[in-house]
Amino acid sequence: EPEVTQTPSHQVTQMGQEVILRCVPISNHLYFYWYRQILGQKVEFLVSFYNNEISEKSEIFDDQFSVERPDGSNFTLKIRSTKLEDSAMYFCASSEALPGGGGYTFGSGTRLTVV
Amino acid sequence: DAKTTQPPSMDCAEGRAANLPCNHSTISGNEYVYWYRQIHSQGPQYIIHGLKNNETNEMASLIITEDRKSSTLILPHATLRDTAVYYCIVRESYQAGTALIFGKGTTLSVSS
Repeated sequence: EPEVTQTPSHQVTQMGQEVILRCVPISNHLYFYWYRQILGQKVEFLVSFYNNEISEKSEIFDDQFSVERPDGSNFTLKIRSTKLEDSAMYFCASSEALPGGGGYTFGSGTRLTVV
Repeated sequence: DAKTTQPPSMDCAEGRAANLPCNHSTISGNEYVYWYRQIHSQGPQYIIHGLKNNETNEMASLIITEDRKSSTLILPHATLRDTAVYYCIVRESYQAGTALIFGKGTTLSVSS
């Protein structure tokens, strides 16, 4: 069964450093997403991306966050200057553009620890 | 704001059916009901979705009331591996790419 692949599985970074989280969505999917989950809290939507543009973003997704599809397979989330409160699991997801709708497929996540 | 209401937790014996309720009394005509689950901090997993008819797949059944104000996810023979947080989400599905907004969900504990 097709999977969404995320790398690395765990990243430790110092406060103020830039991090890039990487995702390989399912090949025939057209919509891509980033979510995060702070330990013990809800899964929170960050951003959705379609046709090389952000289609929707949450209040969490401020100027220190950016997304990019640098080539035909990767989808990245960059955090410019990490803060302690950015420590969380970050999940990438992708979905098809189905008229009747369909499910998202999520990756297994990157655990980001900011120290 | 959450559009759905779910009990915070439920228990189920292994081998029995798990029936997880969801209230979505303000659902509009073009909104679908989606169910996802999250097993121990893994990525959420899609289970099933529906508009107004009952749906069944290899994982579960979804029963939606006639007025569409509530639904029930049924796991027909729960196993220990079904222990997870289950999320009921309403969303306008025809707008592909619309964000899924997760609430707190129901923590289902399956025990032997």
